Amino acid sequence: GAVVSQHPSRVICKSGTSVKIECRSLDFQATTMFWYRQFPKQSLMLMATSNEGSKATYEQGVEKDKFLINHASLTLSTLTVTSAHPEDSSFYICSASSGTGVSPLHFGNGTRLTVT
Amino acid sequence: RKEVEQDPGPFNVPEGATVAFNCTYSNSASQSFFWYRQDCRKEPKLLMSVYSSGNEDGRFTAQLNRASQYISLLIRDSKLSDSATYLCVVSRSGGYNKLIFGAGTRLAVHP
Repeated sequence: GAVVSQHPSRVICKSGTSVKIECRSLDFQATTMFWYRQFPKQSLMLMATSNEGSKATYEQGVEKDKFLINHASLTLSTLTVTSAHPEDSSFYICSASSGTGVSPLHFGNGTRLTVT
Repeated sequence: RKEVEQDPGPFNVPEGATVAFNCTYSNSASQSFFWYRQDCRKEPKLLMSVYSSGNEDGRFTAQLNRASQYISLLIRDSKLSDSATYLCVVSRSGGYNKLIFGAGTRLAVHP
C-alpha cells in the first residue's frame, strides 16, 4: 500500500539549534500534507496543513515563524523547528493525502525530538 | 473544552471480554468520524470509519449519534493484540482531510 516515509525517526539537539524533519510520499502524489505534534499521553495536535506550492495554513496557537513548513513538491514536505527549546521536545508526525479526501490518510512513522 | 473528548482509561480487561469506548465531539459541523488505533510510540492506524447507521468490522462495532455528538466503539472477544490506545477522530471538512484527534483511550487486555 501507499507509504509515507518520515526522517529522522529520532533526533536529539541542543537548545537554540534548528531541526529539519522530512516527510515523503513514496508512491503517490501528496497534494496535501498535515503536520501533527503529540506530547506524552496527549492527543495528536494538528499544527498545520500544507498544500504543494502554496503557504502552509497554521492552526491557532502555532507559531509559523518557529515551525517552518515547506511543501515544494508533490512528494516532499519539510518541517523545520527553529531555535528549538526543551518545551519543543515532542513526537512529530506527518500525514499525506492525495487531496481528494476520500482515501485514508497515510501517516509517517513519526519523529521523536528531544531538545536538551 | 477539547474538540474531541475521550475517557483516557486505562481499561484493563481479560481476554474474551467485551469493552466499549465512548467519545464526544463539540463541533456540530464535523463531517466524518473514525476510530484509529495507536500502539506505543508509533503512528496511528485507521481502524474503521463510523457511519450514522452504525457499522461493524469483525469484532469491532462503531456507532454515531449526530444529535448527541457521540461516537462509540465496541470490541467483542478481546484479544491480547487489541492492547493499544484507541483514538476517536473527527474531520471538520469531511473525508479524511484535517483530522482532529481525541487524546485516546488506553486498552490493556490480559491473559
